[in-house]
Amino acid sequence: EVHLVQSGGGLVQPGRSLRLSCAASGFAFQDFAMHWVRQVPGKGLEWVSNINWDSRDIDYADSVKGRFTVSRDNSGNSLYLQMDSLRPDDTAFYYCARSAGSFHPLDYWGQGTLVTVSS
Amino acid sequence: QSVLTQPPSASGTPGQRVTMSCSGSSSNLGSYPVTWYQQLPGTAPKLLIYSNNQRPSGVPDRFSGSQSGTSASLAVSGLQSEDEADYYCAAWDDSLTGWVFGGGTKLTVL
Repeated sequence: EVHLVQSGGGLVQPGRSLRLSCAASGFAFQDFAMHWVRQVPGKGLEWVSNINWDSRDIDYADSVKGRFTVSRDNSGNSLYLQMDSLRPDDTAFYYCARSAGSFHPLDYWGQGTLVTVSS
Repeated sequence: QSVLTQPPSASGTPGQRVTMSCSGSSSNLGSYPVTWYQQLPGTAPKLLIYSNNQRPSGVPDRFSGSQSGTSASLAVSGLQSEDEADYYCAAWDDSLTGWVFGGGTKLTVL
């Protein structure tokens, strides 16, 4: 069974950094693209970033470009999102998700982790 | 402001058929198949419909999708109380080089 278990959320001050993790199991992690999607509480979904299977193809939403860095460790079946220079409008639930390729549907999602940026 | 446009709400009574729309542009729905997600309160989104009208295992055939040009729609027939949720459309966007989502439609079962 596919599982994506997230960790790393919490309260952080504006301008500081936070790293999110997503541990995958139940499938061949190295064969799938992975994504980060966020959702401000009570609002809609916003795609943040994706990384293809070998980390050679990476994309970011304009809202996070230059501040967030996505990476993966295929040997450890893990996905990461390094978030720097955090702003209050980055406050959201962050979800990791997998897809067969960057523009294939995101078919399994993690449980989500809340990031709150506030002083 | 979401790239894909969805009505904020929809409603129906048990047993009814309800449809929800999703409008985009040539760089997303005009070029790529729509994906629909269902999000129950307090949970992660769940894949509902992909490649226009394909359902993952376990999704009832009461849910169906269609797409034409730069628009798409999701239909729920035989409405049930457990269908009450937020529904999001999504597609890859060539211009933005990323996924775009609609703002979501909140379905209420009266």
